[in-house]
Amino acid sequence: EDKVVQSPLSLVVHEGDTVTLNCSYEVTNFRSLLWYKQEKKAPTFLFMLTSSGIEKKSGRLSSILDKKELFSILNITATQTGDSAVYLCARDFGNEKLTFGTGTRLTIIP
Amino acid sequence: GAVVSQHPSRVICKSGTSVKIECRSLDFQATTMFWYRQFPKQSLMLMATSNEGSKATYEQGVEKDKFLINHASLTLSTLTVTSAHPEDSSFYICSARRAALSYEQYFGPGTRLTVT
Repeated sequence: EDKVVQSPLSLVVHEGDTVTLNCSYEVTNFRSLLWYKQEKKAPTFLFMLTSSGIEKKSGRLSSILDKKELFSILNITATQTGDSAVYLCARDFGNEKLTFGTGTRLTIIP
Repeated sequence: GAVVSQHPSRVICKSGTSVKIECRSLDFQATTMFWYRQFPKQSLMLMATSNEGSKATYEQGVEKDKFLINHASLTLSTLTVTSAHPEDSSFYICSARRAALSYEQYFGPGTRLTVT
């Protein structure tokens, strides 16, 4: 079945902590895996991962894809209250459609 | 940048009425637009893919006669929820694809529909 599962479903940490969010999928033949951050409105793009083992970084955020084990992680270091959001991963088969995961709701406590 | 707008941002309607939601790409031409629905605390579910000048492609389980999609130009797609019911209350988000690479999907701000 075409599933994208994220864990944990929710996470509450203190400001300054480091968090790791997981995204696992079941189907191997896709073009890319994407991460989005969703606050109160629509998702904003974070990363696109196409190759296994190559880390993408943007400031305190980084992400990597493991095509062999069928998962991706999103790391956020030195978290800030502005990082509080729902983080979504999505799989792109290359046919224009994105299949979104269940999302992880991250809450950063000051 | 690539900006996508939606109108209205919030709408409340009575059961049985129809509601139209507009999705516009403001500074680029979008050959393909996508409509998603998101229920509270759930992920985005793709409803349909809208291509300019042709009929929309609906995902399994989405009623095409209930959710009418029109993509009349390269910058505008509309979603009309016909004979709305309370269970249609949801957050509707559109996205627009600018180029051949599908990661270049730019999301609109969403429309919160409440059917009373």
